Amino acid sequence: DQQVKQNSPSLSVQEGRISILNCDYTNSMFDYFLWYKKYPAEGPTFLISISSIKDKNEDGRFTVFLNKSAKHLSLHIVPSQPGDSAVYFCAASRNSGYALNFGKGTSLLVTP
Amino acid sequence: EAQVTQNPRYLITVTGKKLTVTCSQNMNHEYMSWYRQDPGLGLRQIYYSMNVEVTDKGDVPEGYKVSRKEKRNFPLILESPSPNQTSLYFCASSNPGQGNQPQHFGDGTRLSIL
Repeated sequence: DQQVKQNSPSLSVQEGRISILNCDYTNSMFDYFLWYKKYPAEGPTFLISISSIKDKNEDGRFTVFLNKSAKHLSLHIVPSQPGDSAVYFCAASRNSGYALNFGKGTSLLVTP
Repeated sequence: EAQVTQNPRYLITVTGKKLTVTCSQNMNHEYMSWYRQDPGLGLRQIYYSMNVEVTDKGDVPEGYKVSRKEKRNFPLILESPSPNQTSLYFCASSNPGQGNQPQHFGDGTRLSIL
């Protein structure tokens, strides 16, 4: 049973605009959420994370928002760049970083 | 450079021929884990290890074995590989005990079992 869901398999955005990637989860015990970025032929690369005690975390062009009541998090990329084109995985853990549960990923394409 | 190293990166083999995929990390991480990635399924955890000599099953452990004799190494063993184990495999490591810490991933091993 998928506990972390990314319902959009793909997303296309123009360069300079905002990319919003969404993720829903079902387990209320999750306390740590992460976003990973994956290019072909490479392993997932950690992008940004958020603890369940926060509702927002920002790192440069990347911001993650957490809505615990809705069991929803989102990743905002502003402004989007062609180099951001990759598959983005949402992940969640219920014990501060052990045993990550991954979504199926969203393929982002940023067009010039 | 901090990294997780997997070998081999690619392997084509036949059903029933034992194989081992090695994983090594140079970050002195306590926690190591193996995942497989399949189309439409995302990444699923196979086995993990909290520390030396401590291993446990993840979500999809059938057909796999692991060992953790040293902190830096966490090999994945397929005693009798079958075609349904054809997949992309990732090793990861972290130190969750130091507070929320992300897992660092290797570049993956693509296995094809014929």
